[in-house]
Amino acid sequence: GENVEQHPSTLSVQEGDSAVIKCTYSDSASNYFPWYKQELGKRPQLIIDIRSNVGEKKDQRIAVTLNKTAKHFSLHITETQPEDSAVYFCAANTGTASKLTFGTGTRLQVTL
Amino acid sequence: EPEVTQTPSHQVTQMGQEVILRCVPISNHLYFYWYRQILGQKVEFLVSFYNNEISEKSEIFDDQFSVERPDGSNFTLKIRSTKLEDSAMYFCASAADSKNIQYFGAGTRLSVL
Repeated sequence: GENVEQHPSTLSVQEGDSAVIKCTYSDSASNYFPWYKQELGKRPQLIIDIRSNVGEKKDQRIAVTLNKTAKHFSLHITETQPEDSAVYFCAANTGTASKLTFGTGTRLQVTL
Repeated sequence: EPEVTQTPSHQVTQMGQEVILRCVPISNHLYFYWYRQILGQKVEFLVSFYNNEISEKSEIFDDQFSVERPDGSNFTLKIRSTKLEDSAMYFCASAADSKNIQYFGAGTRLSVL
């Protein structure tokens, strides 16, 4: 089955710096890669997603890149703010109903 | 904005008891999912449901688990005889179709004592 690996597990950056989180996946049939932000005790919230027919997608300070050949995708957050502090999960879809396989999460801390 | 709603927000039960976790997916969505998240760990897929039947289930989803869509709005997860290791946050999600975004509910925290 699909295996998604995510690095780093924790990331601390200063406010205003950029943050990059990387994921790799194993199933070449995966074609949808969402990123979820989860604040403590809350539901995962979709922040950006990318499909396999594009290599990059940007939404204000957030961007995602996808390299299908290498089977990896990355989340880039620029000009980080304290409210960006949360756990970020990457995921990849598999199966006919597109179940999501999640990475192990990255705890991002943005310090002042 | 429409939301997936889950009840209860917290369920405490004794080991061996049956629990039913309830979800109301976004109306007009056709695909429904249950995931669980043990404290401090990643979100894990349990089961997907489409057209009134299970599409796929994980190894976690053994014969102690079942899902049902008893009417046009609710989607339930039943655990017949809870174990200590079933303690986790259970998230319901729904999607308009298999290629679309999955929206997550706020979760039910299940505590098995």
